[in-house]
Amino acid sequence: AQSVAQPEDQVNVAEGNPLTVKCTYSVSGNPYLFWYVQYPNRGLQFLLKYITGDNLVKGSYGFEAEFNKSQTSFHLKKPSALVSDSALYFCAVEISGTYKYIFGTGTRLKVLA
Amino acid sequence: EAGVAQSPRYKIIEKRQSVAFWCNPISGHATLYWYQQILGQGPKLLIQFQNNGVVDDSQLPKDRFSAERLKGVDSTLKIQPAKLEDSAVYLCASMAVAGNTIYFGEGSWLTVV
Repeated sequence: AQSVAQPEDQVNVAEGNPLTVKCTYSVSGNPYLFWYVQYPNRGLQFLLKYITGDNLVKGSYGFEAEFNKSQTSFHLKKPSALVSDSALYFCAVEISGTYKYIFGTGTRLKVLA
Repeated sequence: EAGVAQSPRYKIIEKRQSVAFWCNPISGHATLYWYQQILGQGPKLLIQFQNNGVVDDSQLPKDRFSAERLKGVDSTLKIQPAKLEDSAVYLCASMAVAGNTIYFGEGSWLTVV
């Protein structure tokens, strides 16, 4: 079955430290990969995507993500976390050619001052 | 560019009552999605439209949920009769023709009591 896994329900990091939010996927073909962020009482906001090319993609608010085909992972990273980065983060994958997207269960990021 | 518009933002109804949610996608976006997000979970696709045709409604509980997109623009999602387990956020999203990124509205928050 095609799926997306976010193994951590919550990640805590101190402000100014680097952060990583993990995502692995199990989808056939060459999927498109995405990260979205959700702030309280808001919809999902697009952060970044990997379609093809360079394995390191950069997105909004200083976030970046690294695609690793052999490990089928797409981890979200930021060199220096801000308290305002505290939110719920979702990894998503597009099932090749279908325009259908599967979302992970989400990881709550808490950045501590 | 205006984003995806949804209304109402919040709705509280009693079980067995009916409710309808409205969505206006980003102008020109041919693909429209309705997702259900239960608290603590990732978004789950209910239905996907391409213009005014249904592409995928395999996870739509058709005994109580219905959706339409009559003119290929706005869409309405209806629940009748509602159950307690329908309490969730209903997210509308859209994507451009030949695009690969879906953009979400702010969501319609439903509480069934």
